[in-house]
Amino acid sequence: SYVLTQPPSVSAAPGQTARITCGGNNVGSKNVHWYQRKPGQAPVVVVHQDSGRPSGIPERFAGSNSGNTATLTISRVEAGDEADYYCQVWDNDGDQRGVFGGGTKLTVL
Amino acid sequence: QVQLVQSGAEVKKPGSSVKVSCKASGGTFSNYAINWVRQTPGQGLEWMGGISPVFGTANYAQKFQGRVTITTDESTRVASMELSSLRAADTAVYYCARSSFYLGLETGRYYVSGWFDPWGQGTLVTVSS
Repeated sequence: SYVLTQPPSVSAAPGQTARITCGGNNVGSKNVHWYQRKPGQAPVVVVHQDSGRPSGIPERFAGSNSGNTATLTISRVEAGDEADYYCQVWDNDGDQRGVFGGGTKLTVL
Repeated sequence: QVQLVQSGAEVKKPGSSVKVSCKASGGTFSNYAINWVRQTPGQGLEWMGGISPVFGTANYAQKFQGRVTITTDESTRVASMELSSLRAADTAVYYCARSSFYLGLETGRYYVSGWFDPWGQGTLVTVSS
């Protein structure tokens, strides 16, 4: 089965840039979606289809995807960005199955 | 604006089953798929399966094959997820989430796809003796 690998934790000071990676075999050939999950809340999509940004999501959130790595970049980090972030793709091995990365805890210093 | 509202928390005994429901309001129910994702304590998100309401065909994660059943009722706009043979490791928050689906031209089958948006509020299922 397809595996997505994320670093367990990333930290950034307010105003700095945070980059969260999502590694997978030829993940650049797939559409990657990113979700933010804060404690006690349901996840929210922050980037879809590699780099699309849903309405209501700040421009500070940007995505890219190439080769074996997809990246979520959060510019001008704010305290309110502290959360768990998950990447997600679909893997079709004869049947379509959803795959999530293990998640990355973003800590705002 | 589509909203997904889930049923309330459940406490179950090991070996029993649980059924969680997800009611959609707003939007066109049959135009999208409904997925179920869970989060176990201290762990990440885990996709369990998804279904396209209009066609009633479900895709399941291999891990849950044979233990999970996902259904929809277009008349009531409710999707349900039933998990059987519960064990302590199934203690988790279970979410429903909407996504799109597509027709596989080579297989003639419908597959869930796209991103998950919106999500239900989550249902805590506790499995304990």
